[in-house]
Amino acid sequence: GQQLNQSPQSMFIQEGEDVSMNCTSSSIFNTWLWYKQDPGEGPVLLIALYKAGELTSNGRLTAQFGITRKDSFLNISASIPSDVGIYFCAGQSQGGSEKLVFGKGTKLTVNP
Amino acid sequence: EAQVTQNPRYLITVTGKKLTVTCSQNMNHEYMSWYRQDPGLGLRQIYYSMNVEVTDKGDVPEGYKVSRKEKRNFPLILESPSPNQTSLYFCASSLIPPWPNEDTGELFFGEGSRLTVL
Repeated sequence: GQQLNQSPQSMFIQEGEDVSMNCTSSSIFNTWLWYKQDPGEGPVLLIALYKAGELTSNGRLTAQFGITRKDSFLNISASIPSDVGIYFCAGQSQGGSEKLVFGKGTKLTVNP
Repeated sequence: EAQVTQNPRYLITVTGKKLTVTCSQNMNHEYMSWYRQDPGLGLRQIYYSMNVEVTDKGDVPEGYKVSRKEKRNFPLILESPSPNQTSLYFCASSLIPPWPNEDTGELFFGEGSRLTVL
């Protein structure tokens, strides 16, 4: 099946630092989504991207839909302790499949 | 409050003892799905349902069954659980399948059910 390569697998940063993570695919995607999973909770949607080249912000979060439609990145600026969690990218490929493919996640630890 | 509710949240069971994890949503969503989350493997889809009486296999359906007799409920059934089904399970739902357009219903997740099979 389709796979998304998400990196890095984990990050350990100091409070106040900026964070960047990305996802790549070998196939073209029509939709890119970024989810965050807080410890002990289910994933929650952060940002949804629907057009190639689209750049969308949500507070300190910024995500972009790559122009090739095969990648996306998520940036977090000025990290705070509550940013801790696992971040998942998810995408839906060209072709109209109802399946959403998830990356393996980036585990973020923020040291106060 | 709009939500996806899973039960039980935690369960320890033994090999071969049938169990059911219930999932219920109160948002009148058509699409429901089950995922399992394992360290290093992310979220993998087990089964999904586009609507009542319509179910289909995801990427890892072996050892699982589902049913969709009512719109709001989508139980996950493990007829004969085995230790490799020890995992964190998530149910999710959306208004319509996550089609690639801006009218797509967001995929809402439950809080998860942690299952241990001894």
